[in-house]
Order: sequence, then C-alpha cells, then structure tokens
Amino acid sequence: GQNIDQPTEMTATEGAIVQINCTYQTSGFNGLFWYQQHAGEAPTFLSYNVLDGLEEKGRFSSFLSRSKGYSYLLLKELQMKDSASYLCAVFGGSYIPTFGRGTSLIVHP
Amino acid sequence: SQTIHQWPATLVQPVGSPLSLECTVEGTSNPNLYWYRQAAGRGLQLLFYSVGIGQISSEVPQNLSASRPQDRQFILSSKKLLLSDSGFYLCAWSAKTSSYNSPLHFGNGTRLTVT
Repeated sequence: GQNIDQPTEMTATEGAIVQINCTYQTSGFNGLFWYQQHAGEAPTFLSYNVLDGLEEKGRFSSFLSRSKGYSYLLLKELQMKDSASYLCAVFGGSYIPTFGRGTSLIVHP
Repeated sequence: SQTIHQWPATLVQPVGSPLSLECTVEGTSNPNLYWYRQAAGRGLQLLFYSVGIGQISSEVPQNLSASRPQDRQFILSSKKLLLSDSGFYLCAWSAKTSSYNSPLHFGNGTRLTVT
C-alpha cells in the first residue's frame, strides 16, 4: 500500500529556518510534491521533485532521496505568513497521488 | 495560463436535499480531474478522478457521484445529502505527461455544511 509520514505539528521563530520531513512507502515513484495550505483555503503547489537532490525556489527548497523514501521542505527566513499546513504528496505510478496528513507549522515572533 | 474555477464557495444545505458542485478548467485540454473532500482538521480524501470525458473512477463508496460531460468540466452531485457529507470539497486538475506525473492544481474549494 501507500503510506506517507509527516510530523503533525512544528513551531519556529520568525526569521529562522525550519525543515519539514516526509517519509514515504509507495509502490513505484513518479514524483513528490509539496503544498502549502492556509487555514480555510485550498492547497497551493510549492515544489516538485522527481530526481534525487535539492530543488531551490526562493525561500523554499525541497530535497529528495528516492532510495531512502525521504524528502524534506526547507523554509528560510521564516515569516508570520508562513504559518500554515504543509502537505507532502507522492505519485506512486498512477494518476492518483497519496497525500500526507500535513504538518501544521506555527511561526511565532 | 491555466486556471480552475470552482463554485459555489460556500453552501448550506438541509439533510436530504440534492447537491451539485461544478468545476471548470481553462487554458489546457484533456486534463486529469479530481474531487477531494477534507473534513475539519483532517487530510485530503480522494472521492473521484477522471482521465477523460465520461470516464469516472470512484475511490470510496458513498452517496456522491461525479460526471464529466465536457473535457474541462467536472461535476460532483448527490441526490440526498447526509450530515456526514459536510466538509471542504476541492476540485483539482493535472496535466497528462509522458513521463513523470505533473502536480495537481486545486480550485478554491466549496465549504459545504449539511444541517
């Protein structure tokens, strides 16, 4: 079956760096995605990894190790508006991605 | 650029009433289309997905149904709503690719409250 694990909640300070981990077990691999979801809103696409390594996009970076079934999302220079839920999603070889339950990030002053 | 429209944004319906939520995508053709539900504080639950007109796959047994009458139109329906149908409904699309999957892009969602 498909399984994705993320921490339920994390807290960090404004201006700091935070790393949100995601481990997965899927039958096949066709891409890993990170989404940001603010309370009461729809998820918005942040980043996309299909090959091992780091993808950088401004303050956000995402890393993938396919052999370890592991990814992380790195957020730098945290801002209060980064308080949100972060969802890890994996395509395991079909049109249907498996989503993690999400990590609720609380950024405090 | 591609956009996805979903309406209405909020809906309050009595138990036993019908439901119709509509989603349309612009700026792309032959997309994969998805309906998800998210209960308060919970993860995303896939309800239906479609790879083409008239092709619907259901992921969970329920009193909901979906239809895709046109290439870029996806409709979620129910004949009689239950209290347990309350939730945040999200439509999403993704492009078909020959290699790795492309990401899903979500509409703004419909918050449904069944009373």
